[in-house]
Amino acid sequence: EIVLTQSPGTLSLSPGERATLSCRASQSVSSGYLAWYQQKPGQAPRLLMYGASTRASGIPDRFSGSGSETDFTLTISRLEPEDFAVYYCQQYGDSGYTFGQGTKLEIK
Amino acid sequence: QVLLHESGPGLVKPSETLSLTCSVSGGSISSYYWSWIRQPPGKGLEWVGYIYSSGTTDFKPSLKSRVTMSVDTSKNQFSMNLNSVTAADTAMYYCARLSYFWSGPLKCDAFDIWSQGTMVTVSS
Repeated sequence: EIVLTQSPGTLSLSPGERATLSCRASQSVSSGYLAWYQQKPGQAPRLLMYGASTRASGIPDRFSGSGSETDFTLTISRLEPEDFAVYYCQQYGDSGYTFGQGTKLEIK
Repeated sequence: QVLLHESGPGLVKPSETLSLTCSVSGGSISSYYWSWIRQPPGKGLEWVGYIYSSGTTDFKPSLKSRVTMSVDTSKNQFSMNLNSVTAADTAMYYCARLSYFWSGPLKCDAFDIWSQGTMVTVSS
C-alpha cells in the first residue's frame, strides 16, 4: 500500500500569506491519480485538485498544485479567511485509494 | 446538481453488521463508480471500497474480508455492509462519487461529489 505523508502537520499563517503544503509518497504515484481535498469542521471534504495540478470546478486560481512521482505540493498564493481548514492529498495505486494524514492550516 | 444522502443506523453493537445506503439524486447512478469513505473522530480519511453501476467492486485490502457492496440502479442507490464490527469501525461514513477527468493527455480520477456524512458508533 502506498503511504502518503503530509507535512507540516499544522501550518500557522496569516491571511494574505502564501501557504505551501507537501505530500510525499512511499512509492511513485501517477500524477493522474493524485488529488487534493479541503475539509472544514463539520463538513465533508471538497475536491480541490485532480491530476496533481488541475483545479476542480469552481476552485479559485489562488490554489495551485504541482509535483510528480513521489513529491507533490499544494500552494495557496494568498490566503483568504475561508482557506483555513484541513487539507488531504489522495492517491490511487495497486491497493486502491489512500489519503495522507492531513495538514491543518490555521490562522496565526 | 447531483446530491448524495446516506441512511442507516447510527449505533451498531460489536460483532454485528453495519449497513448503510446512499441515495443519489439529481443524476443517474449509471456509468459511475461509487465509494464509501470513512473518518474516525478526529482522524483522517480512509477509503473503504467502491462499486461500479454494473456491480463491479473493489475494497481496501484490510477490509476486504468484512465488506460487501451492492447497487440498485432502479432506485438510484448503493449500499455497504461491514460485518463483525468493533469499536475501531466507529467513524463518520461518507458516500462519494468517483469521477474520471482528462487533464490534457492525462487520465485522472478523484472523488468529486460527497455526501454530508453519517456518524456510526459501535458500542454495546
